[in-house]
Amino acid sequence: ILNVEQSPQSLHVQEGDSTNFTCSFPSSNFYALHWYRWETAKSPEALFVMTLNGDEKKKGRISATLNTKEGYSYLYIKGSQPEDSATYLCAPNTNAGKSTFGDGTTLTVKP
Amino acid sequence: DTAVSQTPKYLVTQMGNDKSIKCEQNLGHDTMYWYKQDSKKFLKIMFSYNNKELIINETVPNRFSPKSPDKAHLNLHINSLELGDSAVYFCASSPSHSGNTIYFGEGSWLTVV
Repeated sequence: ILNVEQSPQSLHVQEGDSTNFTCSFPSSNFYALHWYRWETAKSPEALFVMTLNGDEKKKGRISATLNTKEGYSYLYIKGSQPEDSATYLCAPNTNAGKSTFGDGTTLTVKP
Repeated sequence: DTAVSQTPKYLVTQMGNDKSIKCEQNLGHDTMYWYKQDSKKFLKIMFSYNNKELIINETVPNRFSPKSPDKAHLNLHINSLELGDSAVYFCASSPSHSGNTIYFGEGSWLTVV
């Protein structure tokens, strides 16, 4: 099992605020990193997959960056909306194929 | 069509009973998983199968036994249920076990009373 750390564990912001959170993982044997969005009482859904150092991905107001050399990824949400409230999970993979989920950052956006 | 489907969605049962949760995926994926959402709401892997072969078996009591009759199905059988087994169990699949996106079922809410 990889040591995957996500911070902060929870975050409360006002509608319209921009926010970001971090996923840290061991940089050795890195293969890919996935971000998932997990709404309450639903199942996790994939947001992004990133493989290369310096990768940036964007989907609407949500974007992510990847630094494989230092072992971290940032997820950014611009102009948060109440519907962005969810737990955001990162899951790095090693080249052995094993995927480990972090404990997530739970975002609450207040109207 | 639901890509990863698991049944039942809700299950309430008494301590000591044996129960199964079934999972099927119609995505043609080679790899299937069982995850448990633990008491802290964290997602923890239990088992992974690739082409019907067990490849990941995390520290799970041996009362939990996965069975994969074919690569589209991965069922979870739980013997002698305990109160602490109450959780949400998610089935999932991915094209292979090498770093692909994982697709989750809707979860099965198990309550042991």
